[in-house]
Amino acid sequence: NAGVTQTPKFRVLKTGQSMTLLCAQDMNHEYMYWYRQDPGMGLRLIHYSVGEGTTAKGEVPDGYNVSRLKKQNFLLGLESAAPSQTSVYFCASSGVWNQPQHFGDGTRLSIL
Amino acid sequence: DQQVKQNSPSLSVQEGRISILNCDYTNSMFDYFLWYKKYPAEGPTFLISISSIKDKNEDGRFTVFLNKSAKHLSLHIVPSQPGDSAVYFCAASASDSGYALNFGKGTSLLVTP
Repeated sequence: NAGVTQTPKFRVLKTGQSMTLLCAQDMNHEYMYWYRQDPGMGLRLIHYSVGEGTTAKGEVPDGYNVSRLKKQNFLLGLESAAPSQTSVYFCASSGVWNQPQHFGDGTRLSIL
Repeated sequence: DQQVKQNSPSLSVQEGRISILNCDYTNSMFDYFLWYKKYPAEGPTFLISISSIKDKNEDGRFTVFLNKSAKHLSLHIVPSQPGDSAVYFCAASASDSGYALNFGKGTSLLVTP
Protein backbone atom coordinates (compact mmCIF):
# COMPACT_ATOMS: atom_id res chain seq x y z
CA ASN A 1 0.00 0.00 0.00
CA ALA A 2 2.52 2.59 -1.19
CA GLY A 3 0.27 5.63 -1.82
CA VAL A 4 2.53 8.52 -2.82
CA THR A 5 6.25 7.81 -3.11
CA GLN A 6 8.90 10.51 -3.47
CA THR A 7 12.48 9.95 -4.57
CA PRO A 8 15.05 10.82 -3.47
CA LYS A 9 14.41 11.43 0.25
CA PHE A 10 17.52 13.60 0.71
CA ARG A 11 19.82 15.45 -1.63
CA VAL A 12 22.56 18.04 -1.40
CA LEU A 13 23.30 20.12 -4.49
CA LYS A 14 25.72 22.84 -5.39
CA THR A 15 24.46 26.17 -6.72
CA GLY A 16 23.86 25.92 -10.45
CA GLN A 17 23.38 22.15 -10.57
CA SER A 18 20.20 20.64 -11.91
CA MET A 19 18.09 17.78 -10.66
CA THR A 20 14.70 16.14 -10.93
CA LEU A 21 12.46 15.04 -8.09
CA LEU A 22 10.16 12.15 -8.84
CA CYS A 23 6.69 11.60 -7.44
CA ALA A 24 4.78 8.41 -8.09
CA GLN A 25 1.25 7.50 -6.97
CA ASP A 26 -0.53 4.18 -7.25
CA MET A 27 -4.08 5.34 -6.47
CA ASN A 28 -5.04 6.23 -10.05
CA HIS A 29 -5.51 9.86 -9.00
CA GLU A 30 -6.13 12.54 -11.59
CA TYR A 31 -4.68 15.48 -9.69
CA MET A 32 -1.09 15.84 -8.53
CA TYR A 33 0.69 18.69 -6.75
CA TRP A 34 4.14 19.87 -5.70
CA TYR A 35 4.53 21.96 -2.53
CA ARG A 36 7.49 23.29 -0.64
CA GLN A 37 7.71 23.87 3.09
CA ASP A 38 10.15 26.30 4.66
CA PRO A 39 10.80 26.72 8.41
CA GLY A 40 7.87 28.35 10.21
CA MET A 41 5.77 28.31 7.07
CA GLY A 42 2.89 26.31 5.78
CA LEU A 43 3.17 24.41 2.54
CA ARG A 44 3.19 26.55 -0.58
CA LEU A 45 2.09 25.32 -3.98
CA ILE A 46 4.73 25.25 -6.72
CA HIS A 47 2.93 23.57 -9.65
CA TYR A 48 0.03 21.24 -10.10
CA SER A 49 -1.55 18.98 -12.69
CA VAL A 50 -5.21 18.16 -13.25
CA GLY A 51 -4.50 15.28 -15.58
CA GLU A 52 -1.94 13.52 -17.73
CA GLY A 53 -0.23 15.97 -20.06
CA THR A 54 -1.43 19.08 -18.22
CA THR A 55 0.36 21.36 -15.76
CA ALA A 56 -0.33 24.73 -14.16
CA LYS A 57 1.56 27.23 -12.04
CA GLY A 58 0.95 27.61 -8.35
CA GLU A 59 1.94 30.28 -5.86
CA VAL A 60 5.75 29.95 -6.13
CA PRO A 61 6.60 28.51 -9.59
CA ASP A 62 9.74 30.50 -10.44
CA GLY A 63 12.87 28.38 -10.89
CA TYR A 64 10.94 25.12 -11.27
CA ASN A 65 9.53 23.12 -14.16
CA VAL A 66 7.23 20.11 -14.09
CA SER A 67 6.05 17.36 -16.37
CA ARG A 68 3.19 14.85 -16.22
CA LEU A 69 3.85 12.45 -19.09
CA LYS A 70 2.23 9.51 -17.28
CA LYS A 71 -0.80 9.69 -15.03
CA GLN A 72 1.00 8.09 -12.10
CA ASN A 73 4.13 10.28 -12.20
CA PHE A 74 4.73 13.97 -11.61
CA LEU A 75 8.29 15.28 -12.02
CA LEU A 76 9.67 18.48 -10.52
CA GLY A 77 12.80 19.90 -12.09
CA LEU A 78 15.30 22.48 -10.93
CA GLU A 79 17.31 23.65 -13.93
CA SER A 80 19.84 25.78 -12.04
CA ALA A 81 19.57 25.30 -8.30
CA ALA A 82 19.83 28.32 -5.99
CA PRO A 83 20.29 28.44 -2.18
CA SER A 84 16.76 29.94 -1.90
CA GLN A 85 15.43 26.59 -3.12
CA THR A 86 16.70 24.82 -0.02
CA SER A 87 13.50 23.38 1.38
CA VAL A 88 11.44 20.29 2.02
CA TYR A 89 9.42 19.34 -1.04
CA PHE A 90 6.14 17.46 -0.77
CA CYS A 91 4.18 15.80 -3.51
CA ALA A 92 0.47 15.07 -3.18
CA SER A 93 -2.28 13.50 -5.24
CA SER A 94 -6.07 13.40 -5.12
CA GLY A 95 -9.04 12.12 -6.99
CA VAL A 96 -11.45 14.47 -8.72
CA TRP A 97 -13.82 16.94 -7.09
CA ASN A 98 -12.76 17.87 -3.61
CA GLN A 99 -11.05 14.70 -2.52
CA PRO A 100 -8.47 14.98 0.28
CA GLN A 101 -4.91 15.12 -0.97
CA HIS A 102 -2.56 12.32 0.01
CA PHE A 103 1.02 13.35 0.65
CA GLY A 104 4.38 11.69 0.27
CA ASP A 105 6.95 11.86 3.05
CA GLY A 106 8.93 14.64 1.41
CA THR A 107 12.32 15.28 -0.15
CA ARG A 108 14.80 17.31 1.88
CA LEU A 109 16.87 19.37 -0.53
CA SER A 110 19.87 21.47 0.49
CA ILE A 111 21.61 23.75 -1.98
CA LEU A 112 25.04 25.02 -1.03
CA ASP B 1 -0.43 37.39 0.97
CA GLN B 2 -1.49 34.63 3.37
CA GLN B 3 -5.07 33.61 2.60
CA VAL B 4 -5.27 31.06 5.41
CA LYS B 5 -4.12 32.11 8.86
CA GLN B 6 -3.47 30.15 12.00
CA ASN B 7 -2.68 32.77 14.59
CA SER B 8 -1.63 30.44 17.39
CA PRO B 9 1.78 28.90 16.71
CA SER B 10 1.44 26.55 19.66
CA LEU B 11 -1.08 25.13 22.10
CA SER B 12 -0.63 23.01 25.22
CA VAL B 13 -3.50 20.95 26.63
CA GLN B 14 -3.81 18.35 29.36
CA GLU B 15 -4.71 14.81 28.44
CA GLY B 16 -8.46 14.25 28.52
CA ARG B 17 -9.33 17.91 28.00
CA ILE B 18 -10.56 19.57 24.82
CA SER B 19 -8.13 20.98 22.25
CA ILE B 20 -9.44 23.81 20.07
CA LEU B 21 -7.41 24.88 17.05
CA ASN B 22 -8.50 27.93 15.10
CA CYS B 23 -8.13 29.05 11.51
CA ASP B 24 -9.22 32.15 9.58
CA TYR B 25 -9.36 32.67 5.82
CA THR B 26 -9.78 35.65 3.54
CA ASN B 27 -10.75 34.22 0.15
CA SER B 28 -14.54 33.91 -0.20
CA MET B 29 -14.05 31.53 -3.15
CA PHE B 30 -12.77 28.75 -0.89
CA ASP B 31 -15.34 25.97 -0.81
CA TYR B 32 -13.52 23.06 0.79
CA PHE B 33 -11.61 23.07 4.06
CA LEU B 34 -9.33 20.46 5.54
CA TRP B 35 -7.22 19.77 8.59
CA TYR B 36 -3.95 17.89 8.31
CA LYS B 37 -1.77 16.47 11.05
CA LYS B 38 1.98 16.32 10.63
CA TYR B 39 4.72 14.55 12.54
CA PRO B 40 8.41 15.45 12.04
CA ALA B 41 10.05 13.93 8.97
CA GLU B 42 6.69 12.74 7.62
CA GLY B 43 4.22 14.11 5.13
CA PRO B 44 0.95 15.71 6.25
CA THR B 45 -1.80 13.20 7.00
CA PHE B 46 -5.42 14.04 6.24
CA LEU B 47 -7.55 14.33 9.37
CA ILE B 48 -10.97 15.75 8.56
CA SER B 49 -12.63 18.02 6.03
CA ILE B 50 -15.74 20.10 5.57
CA SER B 51 -17.52 21.44 2.52
CA SER B 52 -18.77 25.02 2.46
CA ILE B 53 -22.36 23.77 2.34
CA LYS B 54 -22.02 22.40 5.89
CA ASP B 55 -21.22 24.02 9.20
CA LYS B 56 -20.10 20.95 11.14
CA ASN B 57 -18.47 17.61 10.47
CA GLU B 58 -17.59 14.94 13.02
CA ASP B 59 -15.29 11.96 12.87
CA GLY B 60 -14.77 10.21 16.19
CA ARG B 61 -12.90 12.52 18.56
CA PHE B 62 -12.48 15.19 15.87
CA THR B 63 -15.04 17.83 14.93
CA VAL B 64 -14.61 20.68 12.50
CA PHE B 65 -16.83 23.75 12.64
CA LEU B 66 -17.19 26.25 9.80
CA ASN B 67 -18.52 29.79 10.18
CA LYS B 68 -18.70 31.17 6.65
CA SER B 69 -19.89 34.63 7.62
CA ALA B 70 -16.87 35.05 9.89
CA LYS B 71 -14.55 33.16 7.50
CA HIS B 72 -13.47 31.05 10.44
CA LEU B 73 -13.10 27.36 11.12
CA SER B 74 -12.02 25.41 14.13
CA LEU B 75 -10.95 21.88 14.98
CA HIS B 76 -12.06 20.35 18.27
CA ILE B 77 -10.35 17.27 19.66
CA VAL B 78 -12.19 15.60 22.55
CA PRO B 79 -10.73 14.01 24.59
CA SER B 80 -7.16 14.96 23.77
CA GLN B 81 -4.54 12.22 23.95
CA PRO B 82 -0.73 12.39 24.09
CA GLY B 83 -0.59 10.78 20.64
CA ASP B 84 -2.38 13.83 19.27
CA SER B 85 0.77 15.90 19.83
CA ALA B 86 1.77 17.09 16.36
CA VAL B 87 1.60 20.12 14.09
CA TYR B 88 -1.88 20.75 12.72
CA PHE B 89 -2.35 22.56 9.44
CA CYS B 90 -5.54 24.17 8.28
CA ALA B 91 -5.98 24.21 4.49
CA ALA B 92 -8.55 25.53 2.05
CA SER B 93 -9.21 25.08 -1.65
CA ALA B 94 -11.37 26.49 -4.42
CA SER B 95 -12.83 24.46 -7.26
CA ASP B 96 -11.62 26.98 -9.86
CA SER B 97 -7.93 26.39 -9.05
CA GLY B 98 -7.65 22.63 -9.41
CA TYR B 99 -8.44 22.15 -5.72
CA ALA B 100 -4.89 23.15 -4.87
CA LEU B 101 -4.52 23.67 -1.16
CA ASN B 102 -3.73 26.94 0.58
CA PHE B 103 -2.15 26.17 3.93
CA GLY B 104 -1.89 28.04 7.19
CA LYS B 105 1.45 28.10 8.99
CA GLY B 106 0.38 25.42 11.44
CA THR B 107 -0.27 25.10 15.16
CA SER B 108 1.95 22.84 17.25
CA LEU B 109 -0.23 20.94 19.72
CA LEU B 110 1.29 19.39 22.83
CA VAL B 111 -0.91 17.11 24.92
CA THR B 112 0.59 16.49 28.34
CA PRO B 113 -0.23 13.49 30.53
